[in-house]
Amino acid sequence: SQQGEEDPQALSIQEGENATMNCSYKTSINNLQWYRQNSGRGLVHLILIRSNEREKHSGRLRVTLDTSKKSSSLLITASRAADTASYFCATDDRTSGSARQLTFGSGTQLTVLP
Amino acid sequence: DAGVIQSPRHEVTEMGQEVTLRCKPISGHNSLFWYRQTMMRGLELLIYFNNNVPIDDSGMPEDRFSAKMPNASFSTLKIQPSEPRDSAVYFCASSFRTGSSYEQYFGPGTRLTVT
Repeated sequence: SQQGEEDPQALSIQEGENATMNCSYKTSINNLQWYRQNSGRGLVHLILIRSNEREKHSGRLRVTLDTSKKSSSLLITASRAADTASYFCATDDRTSGSARQLTFGSGTQLTVLP
Repeated sequence: DAGVIQSPRHEVTEMGQEVTLRCKPISGHNSLFWYRQTMMRGLELLIYFNNNVPIDDSGMPEDRFSAKMPNASFSTLKIQPSEPRDSAVYFCASSFRTGSSYEQYFGPGTRLTVT
């Protein structure tokens, strides 16, 4: 199974509401990153949280990390129709040594209805 | 900076033909990644390079796939011969390894259809 698993697989909300997506992983990590993918486009990096951090903010984004539970959440506040996209978590696996590749989850498809 | 550039954006080919996908990473980045994305399997890492050297190609599905990075500004992913099950979107991404954290910058992808 994949290192990162997002939950839910799909989420549909009204514009103005908050959207919360969760990610669980299995191994020790150096950091965890969240990416967004609009339909037909490449992934775009949103935010990175290091393993020694618990919470991080960037604009309307808030990310939390609980290394004891091996989980992270991404909160998008005051959602807009333009936030409609797939959201992926990606882990930088500490056990990968010098490899340092990211392992991506299966993603959450967020739909924000106008 | 123009970002990661991939070509072609779309490729339709017949089974058995050779397919070459191209990638130009962001100038100054020293790591390059090739991914494949399908509905069934999600985003899969195929191979990645550090300083033009292949580090991990364990994700390359089989010998029909090969990748090269002759210099810091160019990489190719070749499929020979192609099969219908290779149909997917192929992404190239680059990053600059520094310290304990880095982010990847993705290209727009090449949508490959093998008939």
